[in-house]
Amino acid sequence: AQKVTQAQTEISVVEKEDVTLDCVYETRDTTYYLFWYKQPPSGELVFLIRRNSFDEQNEISGRYSWNFQKSTSSFNFTITASQVVDSAVYFCALSDSIQGAQKLVFGQGTRLTINP
Amino acid sequence: EAQVTQNPRYLITVTGKKLTVTCSQNMNHEYMSWYRQDPGLGLRQIYYSMNVEVTDKGDVPEGYKVSRKEKRNFPLILESPSPNQTSLYFCASSRDRRETQYFGPGTRLLVL
Repeated sequence: AQKVTQAQTEISVVEKEDVTLDCVYETRDTTYYLFWYKQPPSGELVFLIRRNSFDEQNEISGRYSWNFQKSTSSFNFTITASQVVDSAVYFCALSDSIQGAQKLVFGQGTRLTINP
Repeated sequence: EAQVTQNPRYLITVTGKKLTVTCSQNMNHEYMSWYRQDPGLGLRQIYYSMNVEVTDKGDVPEGYKVSRKEKRNFPLILESPSPNQTSLYFCASSRDRRETQYFGPGTRLLVL
């Protein structure tokens, strides 16, 4: 069955520290997609990144970077030089084709607090 | 601006009073979906639609109905709301079933 595990329920760091959010997934499919979404205190869900299972290249976007490792079924997210505005709940999600249609399976989320 | 809109954003109602939460997207997306978010349970899919007139159940469809008469709209209907449907609801859309889902702003529903 599909499953996404975000073992870190809450993380609290001081501004300018680097922080890594862990995501481990399970799927029997060979074709799948991984996502990260951000949910700020205002409540909306903001798309950050999408990765397909055939592309293991790491990605960097400004202070954000993602490390995809199929060997460990992980898709970790690092924020460099964190800022207070990064405070949010971050969700990792998985979709595959096992059920024939795209369903996002979400992890439980990691609440990140950046303290000034 | 490309977006998914939901209305209302906040709603307080009473048990048994039918309500509809509207969802509309302006991106000509084929795929639309509804999720609910609950503390400790995370985000779970309620219903999805692959295209006009094509809908199917997600993980938690009980107590909900949907329709997809037009490509841009995907309303969520609660025929007889109950307190256990108190939740934060999100509508999402994507170009097709493989692509990224973009979410609406959410609707906070309280059923008394």
